[in-house]
Amino acid sequence: DTAVSQTPKYLVTQMGNDKSIKCEQNLGHDTMYWYKQDSKKFLKIMFSYNNKELIINETVPNRFSPKSPDKAHLNLHINSLELGDSAVYFCASSLQAGAAYEQYFGPGTRLTVT
Amino acid sequence: DAKTTQPPSMDCAEGRAANLPCNHSTISGNEYVYWYRQIHSQGPQYIIHGLKNNETNEMASLIITEDRKSSTLILPHATLRDTAVYYCIVRAFIYNFNKFYFGSGTKLNVKP
Repeated sequence: DTAVSQTPKYLVTQMGNDKSIKCEQNLGHDTMYWYKQDSKKFLKIMFSYNNKELIINETVPNRFSPKSPDKAHLNLHINSLELGDSAVYFCASSLQAGAAYEQYFGPGTRLTVT
Repeated sequence: DAKTTQPPSMDCAEGRAANLPCNHSTISGNEYVYWYRQIHSQGPQYIIHGLKNNETNEMASLIITEDRKSSTLILPHATLRDTAVYYCIVRAFIYNFNKFYFGSGTKLNVKP
């Protein structure tokens, strides 16, 4: 009965590889997000999708490509991984995008690039 | 960019009230104040939010000053499990869609 789930929980890979992180929410929410938390613990929004449509892209390198097959899923694909991509990536969802609705976060995916 | 300022850390004795301050002096009239917490490296957890009135739920109370330039999150009876980083966030409207800007937060240490 997990609200927002992410897979995998841990991901260790080498520079130059391509990897994907999956996110699913069973809350019936319209809006989903990806956040990145770096080693200094700053949490920054990367993308937001509303009903499968991209609405926020926070100057993220185009090596990062989110994909939303349906409004319950928002996957993150990363090409040509770099050392600086090492971080914890959090997926989140909210009922709607434009109103005073709280966001529910997943457990995070710790990505380590070696 | 974060629009809030919080102390980096605070201590609180178990069973006592924890009062966490936040300054948001540039808040706009239609921006909400949200509080989240992050326990260890788990996903952030929603606590409470408000616009200008004080709010209370089962987890906490939110006191917003009349000029809305600052707020205080109150955990009435802190427990060891409340040890976490607490984020005060102002929700910004961008083209009708809201974005959360997380600052550095306050590390609350609840001690026995």
